[in-house]
Amino acid sequence: DGGITQSPKYLFRKEGQNVTLSCEQNLNHDAMYWYRQDPGQGLRLIYYSQIVNDFQKGDIAEGYSVSREKKESFPLTVTSAQKNPTAFYLCASSIGQRQGYYEQYFGPGTRLTVT
Amino acid sequence: AQSVAQPEDQVNVAEGNPLTVKCTYSVSGNPYLFWYVQYPNRGLQFLLKYITGDNLVKGSYGFEAEFNKSQTSFHLKKPSALVSDSALYFCAVRDQGNQGGKLIFGQGTELSVKP
Repeated sequence: DGGITQSPKYLFRKEGQNVTLSCEQNLNHDAMYWYRQDPGQGLRLIYYSQIVNDFQKGDIAEGYSVSREKKESFPLTVTSAQKNPTAFYLCASSIGQRQGYYEQYFGPGTRLTVT
Repeated sequence: AQSVAQPEDQVNVAEGNPLTVKCTYSVSGNPYLFWYVQYPNRGLQFLLKYITGDNLVKGSYGFEAEFNKSQTSFHLKKPSALVSDSALYFCAVRDQGNQGGKLIFGQGTELSVKP
C-alpha cells in the first residue's frame, strides 16, 4: 500500500447522492487506474489515465467520472447514475508508457456503501 | 481478446506443504504476467512478474512462478506454505502491445493454509 493513499477507508451515502473518492500517489508515476471489486468478480477497470489532463474509459465507466489535473491525484466520482455503486474501490498507479508500464501498485481501497 | 483464468476458486493446503495456484492466459501477442496477493479489506500487493527472460521468476515472501508459453500458463508456487500465506491471489496479464498499461485480472483464488 505504500505510496498510494485512498480516503476515506469506509464511505456511506444515500441513494441519489454523488460521492467522490480520493486517490493520491507520491511515486512519481505517470499512469493511474481505478478498479471496482465485487465478491467473486475480480477487479474491473473503471477509468485510467496515462498522463496528466488525459484519461480513458475502462470496461465499466458508466455512472462514474474522473479528473486528472495533477500528476499525484486521480479522484473518482460515483454519480447517482451508477445503478449499483456499493463495492470496494481500488486505485492503482504505474510507471508510464515510456518506461513500459509494468506492474501496478495499489492503494488500500475505499469501501463504499450506498443505501 | 485478452483473458485470464484461475480455474480454482479455493486451494487448501497444510502448513509446510508445497502450494500451487494456477493461472492460464490468452493474449494475441507476447504476455506480461503478474501475481498479486490481497488480504481482507486491503489493497493488492505485488508479488512477482514475468516480462521476458528466464521462465522461472522469483518474488516476494518466497513465492515463485513458472511461465510456460506452450501451455499459456503462469502458475504461482511456494515450496513450503505458511498459515500467514492464507489470502486471495490474483493473476493478471497484459499484452505487450496494449496501450495504456491496462491489466486483465483473473477472478482470484482463495488460498487457505491450515496448521
